[in-house]
Formats: sequence, C-alpha cells, structure tokens
Amino acid sequence: ETGVTQSPTHLIKTRGQQVTLRCSSQSGHNTVSWYQQALGQGPQFIFQYYREEENGRGNFPPRFSGLQFPNYSSELNVNALELDDSALYLCASSLWDRVEQFFGPGTRLTVL
Amino acid sequence: ELKVEQNPLFLSMQEGKNYTIYCNYSTTSDRLYWYRQDPGKSLESLFVLLSNGAVKQEGRLMASLDTKARLSTLHITAAVHDLSATYFCAVEGNEKLTFGTGTRLTIIP
Repeated sequence: ETGVTQSPTHLIKTRGQQVTLRCSSQSGHNTVSWYQQALGQGPQFIFQYYREEENGRGNFPPRFSGLQFPNYSSELNVNALELDDSALYLCASSLWDRVEQFFGPGTRLTVL
Repeated sequence: ELKVEQNPLFLSMQEGKNYTIYCNYSTTSDRLYWYRQDPGKSLESLFVLLSNGAVKQEGRLMASLDTKARLSTLHITAAVHDLSATYFCAVEGNEKLTFGTGTRLTIIP
C-alpha cells in the first residue's frame, strides 16, 4: 500500500510568483484535503476535494485554488505569492466514508 | 466557528514523570484525533477517538474523550526522551479538521 506523497519537498519563490504543489493520495483514497502550517502553528484547513470537485473551503483567499484528477491526485495552486504564504503545506487523503486522514510528508514553501 | 485550545503550549518534563496534555473544543463533535509532529516533519497519527468515553492506549501514551465536557486528554506515563515532539489535537467538523495550537513537549534526561 503506497502512502501519501507530495512534491516538491522544498521550494523557494519570490513575492508575486505563482506556485503549484502536488499530492498523490494513498492507494484507494478518493478524498484529498490541503492544510497550511505556518511555523510554530497548527495546520489550517485550506480546502478539500472529492470526485474532482471542491468540497469545503477554509478561510483562504481565491488565489489559493486546487484541482483533483481522475486518479484522485491533487494540485494546490497559489497565485501572487505573499511573504505570509511561507509555510509547510500538507496534503491528507482519506476515503469519503471513513474518518481518518493520512498526511503526506509536506512541501516547505519559502517566499522571499 | 469551531475553536480548539490546547494546554500547556510548552511542557518540559523529566524522564520517568507523568503528565497530561489537555484539549478543549468549542462545539459539539464526536471525532477527535491526536497527532505527533517531529521538527520539520509531517503529522503522525496517534489516536482516533470516535465516541464519548473512548479511551485508547499505545505504549506510554493514553488518550481519552469526554464529548459532554468537550475535552480530550493525552496522558504520558513514565516519559522517555523519544517522546519529545509537538503534539496536536484536531477536531472534526464540516468535513475538515480544526487543529489546536500544539503542545511542544521536551523530555529532559
């Protein structure tokens, strides 16, 4: 059974640029959630995807957008990067009718 | 809006001692999770608590859930250095997890 994978592991961007982060869900999992974890904070829910549609969104501006593909993998896109976007971005996968979410290793984004 | 509070935020304890981390949340939920995070790493699932009165134990860690009091506890017994990490509780509601602020635990030899 393959766990949740994310790429890249680290990324450095400058303000105003755009970034795409990728997540492959655990085998068989059809639901993907994305979280942002700033340094020293708990993870904050960005949004969730199920059946290729957004299913719930946290308090993040529209420049945070996502996609889910037919194979259940997902992308997180952030436009017009700001310094405060620097964080660890975590992807979690689950089955729609199951409780537990499994987290990937994360992508560390630094915005200069 | 669901709010989750943990205390203490920082905990430094000696090996062999016992201590408890508390997680309070603001609205009704029957699903609570505990995670461990090592520096620079992702979240490792420790416990999933699904009903009032649920108690789960793994090694030196034991978690419990009181949904009426909206309180979960993570009890550490006879702490060892390997337990040093940040511990998060998370409460499920509206198809998302709301995390607490975390408790940074340091075990001193």
